[in-house]
Amino acid sequence: SQTIHQWPATLVQPVGSPLSLECTVEGTSNPNLYWYRQAAGRGLQLLFYSVGIGQISSEVPQNLSASRPQDRQFILSSKKLLLSDSGFYLCAWSVPGAGNSPLHFGNGTRLTVT
Amino acid sequence: AQTVTQSQPEMSVQEAETVTLSCTYDTSESDYYLFWYKQPPSRQMILVIRQEAYKQQNATENRFSVNFQKAAKSISLKISDSQLGDAAMYFCAGDKIIFGKGTRLHILP
Repeated sequence: SQTIHQWPATLVQPVGSPLSLECTVEGTSNPNLYWYRQAAGRGLQLLFYSVGIGQISSEVPQNLSASRPQDRQFILSSKKLLLSDSGFYLCAWSVPGAGNSPLHFGNGTRLTVT
Repeated sequence: AQTVTQSQPEMSVQEAETVTLSCTYDTSESDYYLFWYKQPPSRQMILVIRQEAYKQQNATENRFSVNFQKAAKSISLKISDSQLGDAAMYFCAGDKIIFGKGTRLHILP
């Protein structure tokens, strides 16, 4: 069966520090991968999605970036965090080419920038 | 790209009663899927139900069902026999990746 791992679960970082959140998927090949941010317990904002290694689409211009160095690994990064980067970050995957495939989410990372 | 609108930020329902959450969307596609997700206090996102646009029949999963009105671009989620464990944020999603702002559902004992 497929599983998705996301870490860390909680992170407190000072303003201006770098960020690296990691997500890995097991049990499937060439998944579509996604990073979402959820602010203040409300809606999900799509940040990045990837359909393959090295292929990253950015939905929202900001100081965050994403990379996919391996088929089932998706990394969210920042060189210098802002206070506004605080939020709950969710990684997700879906079956490629299957419109009826829902998103399968990780447990999320709660990021607090101080 | 689709837009998804959930106009009810919060709702409350008495335990064992039925509640309906609303969602409207906009799309230029002729065939598409719509999803409802649940996010309990643990914040783990869980798929509740999905609806394929070309299917006339409304999807049903146990106590959860949808009322899909394609012409009106509306899909509501009905929860029957509400239970305390149903308390959560509910998100409507279209085009797989576009989410509404969510409805927080409270279950009153």
